[in-house]
Amino acid sequence: NAGVTQTPKFQVLKTGQSMTLQCAQDMNHEYMSWYRQDPGMGLRLIHYSVGAGITDQGEVPNGYNVSRSTTEDFPLRLLSAAPSQTSVYFCASTQTGTGFHEQYFGPGTRLTVT
Amino acid sequence: LAKTTQPISMDSYEGQEVNITCSHNNIATNDYITWYQQFPSQGPRFIIQGYKTKVTNEVASLFIPADRKSSTLSLPRVSLSDTAVYYCLVGGNTGRRALTFGSGTRLQVQP
Repeated sequence: NAGVTQTPKFQVLKTGQSMTLQCAQDMNHEYMSWYRQDPGMGLRLIHYSVGAGITDQGEVPNGYNVSRSTTEDFPLRLLSAAPSQTSVYFCASTQTGTGFHEQYFGPGTRLTVT
Repeated sequence: LAKTTQPISMDSYEGQEVNITCSHNNIATNDYITWYQQFPSQGPRFIIQGYKTKVTNEVASLFIPADRKSSTLSLPRVSLSDTAVYYCLVGGNTGRRALTFGSGTRLQVQP
């Protein structure tokens, strides 16, 4: 299993540009989520999905769109990049159902917006 | 989601036992307590979880008192490679499985 993979690892954008951060998992997890981590801070939830075709907003959704057409993929789109979106972005996945389930995180995408 | 409070930073030396305490006064009945570890430039990694009393695995122990309003992560005989940020989280047993991260505890292990 590759686990959770993210591409690209690094990206530099100019203000106003758009791009898509890719996230994929091969563990057949229904639950996937996107976080951002600013320097010295904890992770903040952007969007999450409880299954294909279902998405919802987290704590800091503004400026980001998501879709979930398959169980495996959960891309994050920046429509018009702003310097405030400079951050490290992590994708995570886990199982649903009752009881505790460990979350698995990807290696992150480091985004700089100039 | 229950808020957690933990020390911002801790220092230790190799071979010592490190205990990091987290308070979570508003923990809900069905919440689990979970600890994650994060190295620089990496995503968080699950260490241990528990509901009550004591849990031990190959890397750590988790102590939870009866009222569950706090928990203590214990790392036995730390090494330099344990230098990382440790996050205490509560929740994870509801339909919304996303985790709320605080700022974590930055552990620095000295030789």
